[in-house]
Amino acid sequence: GAGVSQSPSNKVTEKGKDVELRCDPISGHTALYWYRQSLGQGLEFLIYFQGNSAPDKSGLPSDRFSAERTGGSVSTLTIQRTQQEDSAVYLCASSQRQGSGNTIYFGEGSWLTVV
Amino acid sequence: QKEVEQDPGPLSVPEGAIVSLNCTYSNSAFQYFMWYRQYSRKGPELLMYTYSSGNKEDGRFTAQVDKSSKYISLFIRDSQPSDSATYLCAILGGTYKYIFGTGTRLKVLA
Repeated sequence: GAGVSQSPSNKVTEKGKDVELRCDPISGHTALYWYRQSLGQGLEFLIYFQGNSAPDKSGLPSDRFSAERTGGSVSTLTIQRTQQEDSAVYLCASSQRQGSGNTIYFGEGSWLTVV
Repeated sequence: QKEVEQDPGPLSVPEGAIVSLNCTYSNSAFQYFMWYRQYSRKGPELLMYTYSSGNKEDGRFTAQVDKSSKYISLFIRDSQPSDSATYLCAILGGTYKYIFGTGTRLKVLA
């Protein structure tokens, strides 16, 4: 597609439910990132995928969070047993490669509210 | 100490003013610096990037890096109401991990 596509754009879920957030990166981009943005906070790194390499999961806040990337393209971020503190914007970004001189492009985000 | 610090604002200026947005960072090894603009309920979009020290100009926008002070700035000349947004500084910390500031909310008053 023309840009990074994320779905759903908005999600309201009850505490304790599982949610799945989807990201479709720009075609041909090998690097994919998930970030979380909470009110008044900067973008918090969650996970990074690069091609077929093992992902960097160092930013995932707890074992309730997991992500996968199938076929080197679409990625799904799963949050199990959601808590109110999980309410945030989840942003996906992709880039053609890693490193300096390389632009990362963000999607519009998935706005998650846990009630 | 956070790796990147940014004043959250909000910053309100009249139309036509020169705006100065700033960040400080802690690691002198950082060399790739970016500014993103984020409109309400939208994803961040890249405005400018710079390597190492010096200035880079693009239209009404100038990005400046002072490595000796570990200070980066974005200047907006002739600010417009359409510039009202949150501005995020970002630094490439390592080969792929981008570190973002908390963002400064700017409002340009018509």
